[in-house]
Amino acid sequence: DQQVKQNSPSLSVQEGRISILNCDYTNSMFDYFLWYKKYPAEGPTFLISISSIKDKNEDGRFTVFLNKSAKHLSLHIVPSQPGDSAVYFCAASVTGTASKLTFGTGTRLQVTL
Amino acid sequence: NAGVTQTPKFQVLKTGQSMTLQCAQDMNHEYMSWYRQDPGMGLRLIHYSVGAGITDQGEVPNGYNVSRSTTEDFPLRLLSAAPSQTSVYFCASSYSSTSGTFNEQFFGPGTRLTVL
Repeated sequence: DQQVKQNSPSLSVQEGRISILNCDYTNSMFDYFLWYKKYPAEGPTFLISISSIKDKNEDGRFTVFLNKSAKHLSLHIVPSQPGDSAVYFCAASVTGTASKLTFGTGTRLQVTL
Repeated sequence: NAGVTQTPKFQVLKTGQSMTLQCAQDMNHEYMSWYRQDPGMGLRLIHYSVGAGITDQGEVPNGYNVSRSTTEDFPLRLLSAAPSQTSVYFCASSYSSTSGTFNEQFFGPGTRLTVL
């Protein structure tokens, strides 16, 4: 039972345009959500997060939106740059559960020139 | 700070062999965990520890043992390797989260394990 789903395995976007990566979850107990970025042969690195008490969090070119009623979150990257090409994982957690993360399957983003 | 380090980077085992994947962190993090990444499956939690002497099972613990004798180290042991354990293994650490707070996890570079 996949509690966190990323239904798009890949996404291709032109440099300078907006990239939108989507994530859906089924467990209503999740109250903290994160995005991790992963380059080949490296470990995931933390990108941005959002608590369920918010519906938007912004950090530079990266914005995460949370729609609790739809159990959906999205990551917007504006403008997209070639260095953003990587696999992006959505993850979810229940605060107070010892930092345990449930990951989605990942979306491979390719930013083309 | 070296962050989270993992050894070895690559390993090939035969079915039935045993080995230990090493993980160390120098950030004085209480929380450490092991994940495996398989194609199309994302990262799945194997075992985790909230401090020295305390470990617990994650989503896919079968076939793996862990111990946490120090804050810095969290080794993962495969007692009798099976082809189904072919995967990339990531260790992660963070400060422990209390109710209402969350601390990001820092990941190591991974160990790519092949079991023949």
